[in-house]
Amino acid sequence: AQSVTQLDSHVSVSEGTPVLLRCNYSSSYSPSLFWYVQHPNKGLQLLLKYTSAATLVKGINGFEAEFKKSETSFHLTKPSAHMSDAAEYFCVVNPGTYKYIFGTGTRLKVLA
Amino acid sequence: DVKVTQSSRYLVKRTGEKVFLECVQDMDHENMFWYRQDPGLGLRLIYFSYDVKMKEKGDIPEGYSVSREKKERFSLILESASTNQTSMYLCASSLIGGAYEQYFGPGTRLTVT
Repeated sequence: AQSVTQLDSHVSVSEGTPVLLRCNYSSSYSPSLFWYVQHPNKGLQLLLKYTSAATLVKGINGFEAEFKKSETSFHLTKPSAHMSDAAEYFCVVNPGTYKYIFGTGTRLKVLA
Repeated sequence: DVKVTQSSRYLVKRTGEKVFLECVQDMDHENMFWYRQDPGLGLRLIYFSYDVKMKEKGDIPEGYSVSREKKERFSLILESASTNQTSMYLCASSLIGGAYEQYFGPGTRLTVT
C-alpha cells in the first residue's frame, strides 16, 4: 500500500535560518512526488515535483527537494527562511494512478 | 494563467439542505477531483472524474455525489447536509497520468449549522 508520512506536524525556524521539512513515502512502484504549499485560506500551490529525472529538484521561491530511493525520503529544504514562507506544506506521492496520496501536512512558523 | 475556480469561498447551510459546490477549470484537463480538508487529517479524496459523465469514488464518498456534464465543470453535491460535513472543500484538476501535478482552486469553507 502507498503512504506518505510527514514526520513533523509543526516546525519553527528563525528568519534567515535553513528550513527542513521531512517526508517519507511508501510505494510499490516508481512514484512521482510533489510538494505543495498552502497559505491561510488559499488553495494548494505546487512548489516542486520529482518524476524520475534528476534526484535533486529545484522549485519555486528557493525551495529544493532530494529524492532518496534508498531512504524512501523526499525532504524539502530552503537555505534561508523568509517570513513569507510561513504556511502549511504537503508532501504528495502518486504511484502512477489517478490517486494522489497526501501527507497530513507540516505547519511552518518563521520567527522574526 | 491556468485557473481552477470554485463557486463560493464561504458557505453557510442548515442541516438537511441540499448543497451544490461547483468547480470550473480552464486548462482542458481530463481529471478533476474533490477533496475535503480537515485539521490533522490532510486532504481526503471524496470523488474523482477522468472524463465527462465518468466518476470514481474516493476514500470518503458517503453523503456526497458528483456530476460532470461538461469537461470543464465538476460539481459536488451534498444531498442532505449534516454538521459533520462542515469542512474546507478543495477542487483540483490535472492531465491524465500520475506524473502530472494537480492544480487547485481556492477552496470553499462550508459550515453546516
